[in-house]
Amino acid sequence: DTGVSQDPRHKITKRGQNVTFRCDPISEHNRLYWYRQTLGQGPEFLTYFQNEAQLEKSRLLSDRFSAERPKGSFSTLEIQRTEQGDSAMYLCASGSSGRTDTQYFGPGTRLTVL
Amino acid sequence: AQSVTQLDSHVSVSEGTPVLLRCNYSSSYSPSLFWYVQHPNKGLQLLLKYTSAATLVKGINGFEAEFKKSETSFHLTKPSAHMSDAAEYFCVVSDPRNKLVFGAGTILRVKS
Repeated sequence: DTGVSQDPRHKITKRGQNVTFRCDPISEHNRLYWYRQTLGQGPEFLTYFQNEAQLEKSRLLSDRFSAERPKGSFSTLEIQRTEQGDSAMYLCASGSSGRTDTQYFGPGTRLTVL
Repeated sequence: AQSVTQLDSHVSVSEGTPVLLRCNYSSSYSPSLFWYVQHPNKGLQLLLKYTSAATLVKGINGFEAEFKKSETSFHLTKPSAHMSDAAEYFCVVSDPRNKLVFGAGTILRVKS
């Protein structure tokens, strides 16, 4: 399978715990995006990387959130001290740099914070 | 700033009848526009995209959309609905950095 993959698909955690999600993009794509989707809403942009550089972060990304993309390949999104409001689907997408390039989405990681 | 308004949160059609999902956009730039579909428990799939070429864009599964600059609209249509079209559809505008801004989504129900 050469699509975008995410791991885990589901994560249940208790409030205050740290969680980490992984995204493996399509191998030839140099851009990687993270979005968050809450129930009944469209996805909202969180952050994106071009190669290993994190180029933009949304105001939605509080200081409890951190993302990395070492070596410009896979990416991780960590949430520290989770809160119930963090419960959402976290989506990863990859694409190539360019004004109109398509973003291909992974299946998402559904986080539930109890 | 870019934004998208999907005018209907739910649309219900009978199988074999036309589908119309409405979308208006706002953009400070010449926009790139997309429609994505999300089936239950599946990832987002691109249906079609407009990138300032032809204003009538054909996508997968018989869907098409027409870019109308004067109306700032990008409505999605299909001549004949199929049961497998039941899903949530998102209209999306891309900002100059290719960051996607999604609408709130339209849930399409197809009745047999």
